[in-house]
Amino acid sequence: AQSVTQLDSQVPVFEEAPVELRCNYSSSVSVYLFWYVQYPNQGLQLLLKYLSGSTLVESINGFEAEFNKSQTSFHLRKPSVHISDTAEYFCAVSASGTYKYIFGTGTRLKVLA
Amino acid sequence: DGGITQSPKYLFRKEGQNVTLSCEQNLNHDAMYWYRQDPGQGLRLIYYSQIVNDFQKGDIAEGYSVSREKKESFPLTVTSAQKNPTAFYLCASSIMLGTEQPQHFGDGTRLSIL
Repeated sequence: AQSVTQLDSQVPVFEEAPVELRCNYSSSVSVYLFWYVQYPNQGLQLLLKYLSGSTLVESINGFEAEFNKSQTSFHLRKPSVHISDTAEYFCAVSASGTYKYIFGTGTRLKVLA
Repeated sequence: DGGITQSPKYLFRKEGQNVTLSCEQNLNHDAMYWYRQDPGQGLRLIYYSQIVNDFQKGDIAEGYSVSREKKESFPLTVTSAQKNPTAFYLCASSIMLGTEQPQHFGDGTRLSIL
């Protein structure tokens, strides 16, 4: 069975500072990894995904995540955050050959002026 | 623009009442999903459907029912058997059933008990 852990429920950070949102997973088979963002009272939007190939993946709005197989992690980073990045971020894992996504419990990023 | 439409945005249920949440997509996706979101618990899968006239239970299907009579539509009924229905409900779709496919989400329906 797969599982995903987002240890930080809330992360406050000042505007223009760097941020890292942590995601660790466990799986006995190969996995696909995703980060989604959710703004208040909205659905989830795909931010980036790792399926195969390069372990560093980037989004169009400056976020990046690196797949680290040995540490079973897929941390999300941004070098300089904006107020508009305030949202909840969900890491999700799925196992090759299954239908199911497992979502983490989410990390609420609050960017302070 | 293609997307997923959920309605209503807010819904109130009386004790003993069944309520139905609507989910419509115009993305031409085969697979559709219903999730329940509670604070601090992430998303939990209620039902999913791979194709028209076929659907399967997810992790927390008790007290819920679905139908998939059309490719575009996947309504969720919250029955009176669901004793704790207050939550945010999200509908999603993907091109096909398969976990390498990203899921597209609607904007959710917030259900509360009167």
